[in-house]
Amino acid sequence: DAGITQSPRHKVTETGTPVTLRCHQTENHRYMYWYRQDPGHGLRLIHYSYGVKDTDKGEVSDGYSVSRSKTEDFLLTLESATSSQTSVYFCAISESQGITIYFGEGSWLTVV
Amino acid sequence: AQKITQTQPGMFVQEKEAVTLDCTYDTSDPSYGLFWYKQPSSGEMIFLIYQGSYDQQNATEGRYSLNFQKARKSANLVISASQLGDSAMYFCAMRDGSSGNTGKLIFGQGTTLQVKP
Repeated sequence: DAGITQSPRHKVTETGTPVTLRCHQTENHRYMYWYRQDPGHGLRLIHYSYGVKDTDKGEVSDGYSVSRSKTEDFLLTLESATSSQTSVYFCAISESQGITIYFGEGSWLTVV
Repeated sequence: AQKITQTQPGMFVQEKEAVTLDCTYDTSDPSYGLFWYKQPSSGEMIFLIYQGSYDQQNATEGRYSLNFQKARKSANLVISASQLGDSAMYFCAMRDGSSGNTGKLIFGQGTTLQVKP
């Protein structure tokens, strides 16, 4: 199994509060991603990173920001959580020349 | 625009039988890759198989094979000799040439497979 750790794994938060999800990898892979999974939509890309301090938007980036200050860590921040951001969030990693994209175990976020 | 379509929300198969999960895709890029992932009830995403658009042969990985029909833009997953542990949700995903060799994937909606004993 790829060394990907997501934290927290489960969180309940109130509308309007900031939330940060952390993804930590031990594989030294260049690329890191944040996806969200919702019923009927499969997984959708939020943001991704192609190196330290290099990030870009994905398909559903509104309301989210990311940071990558170290190769091993990729943070996803909801500045002011809304109920529409209740979802399961997956971190993923991949190498520059690899085919396989490895996913973390997911973080369940509920915004009430 | 890129799109992945999985038209079977749910399927049943008898243990030890083969099953085909459908996936069609749409892209104007001649270079792309197609992936299948398995998501059991525990929630993790497990990589199953990959097919590149220029690969001459259909990909196979153990009991999994990908029936790649380029002209029809379909990439169906075939699971042979189904086992109870195959019960899960299955996702088809695509990466096109504009995404390079990254993990920027477009996912289908998924198909839930239940294997009956």
